[in-house]
Amino acid sequence: DIQMTQSPSTLSASVGDRVTITCRASQSISSWLAWYQQKPGKAPKFLIYETSNLETGVPSRFSGSGSETEFTLTISSLQPDDFATYYCQQYRTYPWTFGQGTKVEIK
Amino acid sequence: QVQLQESGPGLVKPSETLSLTCTVSGGSISSHSWNWIRQPPGQGLEWIGHIYNSGSTNYNPSLRSRVTTSVDTSKNQFSLNLSSVTAADTAVYYCARGEKSGHNIFDYWGQGTLVTVSS
Repeated sequence: DIQMTQSPSTLSASVGDRVTITCRASQSISSWLAWYQQKPGKAPKFLIYETSNLETGVPSRFSGSGSETEFTLTISSLQPDDFATYYCQQYRTYPWTFGQGTKVEIK
Repeated sequence: QVQLQESGPGLVKPSETLSLTCTVSGGSISSHSWNWIRQPPGQGLEWIGHIYNSGSTNYNPSLRSRVTTSVDTSKNQFSLNLSSVTAADTAVYYCARGEKSGHNIFDYWGQGTLVTVSS
């Protein structure tokens, strides 16, 4: 299986901060990476596919970059609605696997 | 707007079979992949497997020996059976639609259902 490792596990930030989350794959996944946002008690929400393509309706303050084994999710100016846990997911090879999550909490 | 809704028992005894159904509304089950994903309490996400309306499946090797899925296109439903459950199978189980323009992502999710394995 391809292991996905996110860092940090928890991130404390303030409204307006620029936030970056890193996701590393144990082997190359080309650009086959997605990002999700999950709030407590809710299902994950799909944000980004193929590393950098925003799903329709996702605010432009979200962006993704990277390739092969290292990827980032950036929130350019953190908003109150963005405090949540974020997961990356690779879809290069079965089984599809997720990172362990990064919790973005209020500083 | 596509909506998914999981249904099934919230409590299953050890060694028994966990059975869940996902009902899809607002869209046809005849396209896309239809996935099961679980999340143990306080932990991350694990993809269980998926099924297409043709009946073609792919499962996570870690669960393959215990998982079966089926699809009922007449009811726009798909189902999960997980046999010989233990406490380690206690989790929130989500159904999700897969594939967007050839990308194997999950763009629509059910709200999730907590299944507890306990005697």
